[in-house]
Amino acid sequence: EDQVTQSPEALRLQEGESSSLNCSYTVSGLRGLFWYRQDPGKGPEFLFTLYSAGEEKEKERLKATLTKKESFLHITAPKPEDSATYLCAVQAYTGFQKLVFGTGTRLLVSP
Amino acid sequence: EAGVVQSPRYKIIEKKQPVAFWCNPISGHNTLYWYLQNLGQGPELLIRYENEEAVDDSQLPKDRFSAERLKGVDSTLKIQPAELGDSAVYLCASSLGLGGGSGTGELFFGEGSRLTVL
Repeated sequence: EDQVTQSPEALRLQEGESSSLNCSYTVSGLRGLFWYRQDPGKGPEFLFTLYSAGEEKEKERLKATLTKKESFLHITAPKPEDSATYLCAVQAYTGFQKLVFGTGTRLLVSP
Repeated sequence: EAGVVQSPRYKIIEKKQPVAFWCNPISGHNTLYWYLQNLGQGPELLIRYENEEAVDDSQLPKDRFSAERLKGVDSTLKIQPAELGDSAVYLCASSLGLGGGSGTGELFFGEGSRLTVL
């Protein structure tokens, strides 16, 4: 069964304090790994897709990387507006190819 | 461009009552999803439609949940009767499909319908 584990569950940073979020996964043939951002009371918002080990994607202060077992979302010099829950999801080549989400990391960035 | 629209945003009902949620996907998106999200958890797929066809409903509790997508556009998710454990956020999402290419996995979510069952 495809599984996604995210850590830490919650993370509190000071503005400008860089850090990384972890997403460990097991999947029967990875088609893609996805990062989403979710603000309170909103639906998830797509950030990145990673397809193969070694791939990296960047967007503003965020950079996502992928290995064969995990993905990291690096946040450089975060700002308070980066506060949100960050969700990781995997999609397998087999079965119905549905996205399997982790439970997310709640990030709070204080001024 | 309008995003995925869901209604109602909030619904409070007594247990054993019926409830229905409506979703209007992004124009041109042939794939539509209903997800369930409990507090502090990630979204879990209930059902996926490709146009009018339900291609993955393996996680839909069919004894009380039903869904339809008439004409391959709008969709309705119904619960009858509702139970206390059904309290959650019901998210609708749409995409251009699961075909190969950059669109894979890029789902566009609505703001969700929060259900409270008393």
